[in-house]
Amino acid sequence: DQQVKQNSPSLSVQEGRISILNCDYTNSMFDYFLWYKKYPAEGPTFLISISSIKDKNEDGRFTVFLNKSAKHLSLHIVPSQPGDSAVYFCAVPTSGTYKYIFGTGTRLKVLA
Amino acid sequence: NAGVTQTPKFRILKIGQSMTLQCTQDMNHNYMYWYRQDPGMGLKLIYYSVGAGITDKGEVPNGYNVSRSTTEDFPLRLELAAPSQTSVYFCASSYPGDRTEAFFGQGTRLTVV
Repeated sequence: DQQVKQNSPSLSVQEGRISILNCDYTNSMFDYFLWYKKYPAEGPTFLISISSIKDKNEDGRFTVFLNKSAKHLSLHIVPSQPGDSAVYFCAVPTSGTYKYIFGTGTRLKVLA
Repeated sequence: NAGVTQTPKFRILKIGQSMTLQCTQDMNHNYMYWYRQDPGMGLKLIYYSVGAGITDKGEVPNGYNVSRSTTEDFPLRLELAAPSQTSVYFCASSYPGDRTEAFFGQGTRLTVV
């Protein structure tokens, strides 16, 4: 079974600095990974994804890195902005590529 | 285009009561999902559906039932509510196939007392 761990429940970063959020998974059978962002009292929204044929995918200030040998994902936000303060979840596929297991989330606080 | 709409937003139930959480989407997505999120935890998949008339269990299906009579609607039924079902429930939908992200509703905060 797929297990997903986000070992940092919270992270505080100064505005303008880099935020690095990490995610580890156990089953490398599948090849597509996603990050979601969640504000309080809202549903998660898709942020960025990466396929295992790549080790990096960039979208503006957000970059996701994939280390397949270590079964590790990281999300970099540069520069961090106060509006980035939210909970970030990584999602990793399980049996059937449309079923995703979510990590426990990392609460990011960007300080102005 | 409303996306995924969930009702109600909040509900308090007494132990043993039943209720249905409503979810509808207007994006013509084949795949729909129900998740629950407990404090400090990730989202756990309760049930999912790959099309009208087809449903299947996720990670935590006990105490819940679903139906999918139309592409748009995917209601979640709680029978005999228990305190352990106190949670925030999210409905989501996505296009079929791999490598597609899910679109989530705003959630239903349910408290069982």
